[in-house]
Amino acid sequence: KAGVTQTPRYLIKTRGQQVTLSCSPISGHRSVSWYQQTPGQGLQFLFEYFSETQRNKGNFPGRFSGRQFSNSRSEMNVSTLELGDSALYLCASSLQGGRTDTQYFGPGTRLTVL
Amino acid sequence: AQTVTQSQPEMSVQEAETVTLSCTYDTSESNYYLFWYKQPPSRQMILVIRQEAYKQQNATENRFSVNFQKAAKSFSLKISDSQLGDTAMYFCAFMKANAGGTSYGKLTFGQGTILTVHP
Repeated sequence: KAGVTQTPRYLIKTRGQQVTLSCSPISGHRSVSWYQQTPGQGLQFLFEYFSETQRNKGNFPGRFSGRQFSNSRSEMNVSTLELGDSALYLCASSLQGGRTDTQYFGPGTRLTVL
Repeated sequence: AQTVTQSQPEMSVQEAETVTLSCTYDTSESNYYLFWYKQPPSRQMILVIRQEAYKQQNATENRFSVNFQKAAKSFSLKISDSQLGDTAMYFCAFMKANAGGTSYGKLTFGQGTILTVHP
């Protein structure tokens, strides 16, 4: 079974631009969570989607948004990029995002904001 | 809110030796899950081991085992017979067990411990 895939793997943007990252979960997984990883803040939870609905959201500004499609693929969007948005963005999929589910991570998208 | 603390930013061990990584957490929940994830230099995060808080028996996965002390809120990872491929950043993570609200899909991570295995 194929693992979690993320595209693109690397992105370079300039301040003020917007960016869209994509995540394809493991086949059969319906929950997708997104995390931001930086050297200073570590791994922080952004949001979780299940059946095209956002069920949980971390403490990030409204510039960070996401969505999920009927095939469980998910995208996250960051508008009006700031230098501090430079990070590795990881997505993780699980069966239903519930208490017994283990999250499986993708390789990440490295975003650099200049 | 839950917090996870890994007090060892870096550790090193010789190949074939045993090393223990520490993790403590703070929560008012009684039912939860704890995880150790490994992130090698290639950046793909991999699950190493998982522990359900309601289980008293410590989880083991081949060379990896945990020492789960619920009362002390401690969850250490022991790696036996260390191998060069164990070189990675190790993250301890927490998830609330009661599905719903702020539990959905949210792992709370520690800051990580960089483990280097030397030949």
